[in-house]
Amino acid sequence: TQLLEQSPQFLSIQEGENLTVYCNSSSVFSSLQWYRQEPGEGPVLLVTVVTGGEVKKLKRLTFQFGDARKDSSLHITAAQPGDTGLYLCAVRSGGSNYKLTFGKGTLLTVNP
Amino acid sequence: DAGITQSPRHKVTETGTPVTLRCHQTENHRYMYWYRQDPGHGLRLIHYSYGVKDTDKGEVSDGYSVSRSKTEDFLLTLESATSSQTSVYFCAISVVGEGPGELFFGEGSRLTVL
Repeated sequence: TQLLEQSPQFLSIQEGENLTVYCNSSSVFSSLQWYRQEPGEGPVLLVTVVTGGEVKKLKRLTFQFGDARKDSSLHITAAQPGDTGLYLCAVRSGGSNYKLTFGKGTLLTVNP
Repeated sequence: DAGITQSPRHKVTETGTPVTLRCHQTENHRYMYWYRQDPGHGLRLIHYSYGVKDTDKGEVSDGYSVSRSKTEDFLLTLESATSSQTSVYFCAISVVGEGPGELFFGEGSRLTVL
């Protein structure tokens, strides 16, 4: 059983459209992280959410942590080709503060 | 820039041969990790280290060993490579004090086992 379920798995949209991707679990987490990975590179941290119901904004990206701290969403407004990449959520697991488990990711393609 | 260097970046080898991947960091961070990334499986933890000579297994450790004889280097060894170990391998460090375990990743090492 996958600890984190990300949806959709693939998303292809046109420049200027809005989109939302999701990261869901049946477990409760103390925090959740979002990473973006561009082709040929390693993942890069975008944000960490810690408090249930928390909303964080990073330019056109809005991250929300569910009230029950079991899920999170990432909303992108007016997507641009530079937003293309694999979006991964991750949580601490196995009782460790320093061991992260990742979801399988959402592969986003923004077409010009 | 977290100062992480992986080598080699690309390697093609044959089944049954030993392979060692190296991860080097320049900032003396305590925690280092090896992940593999495969289509349909995402990033999976192989091994991690929490100090010199202190290592532990991740979720997919079978067929892999690691060593950390000094803070800056974390080596991943495939004693006898198999085709199922064809993957992209990422090294990462945890920058303690920057938050709850955020990871900074290297650029990856693409390994092909024929």
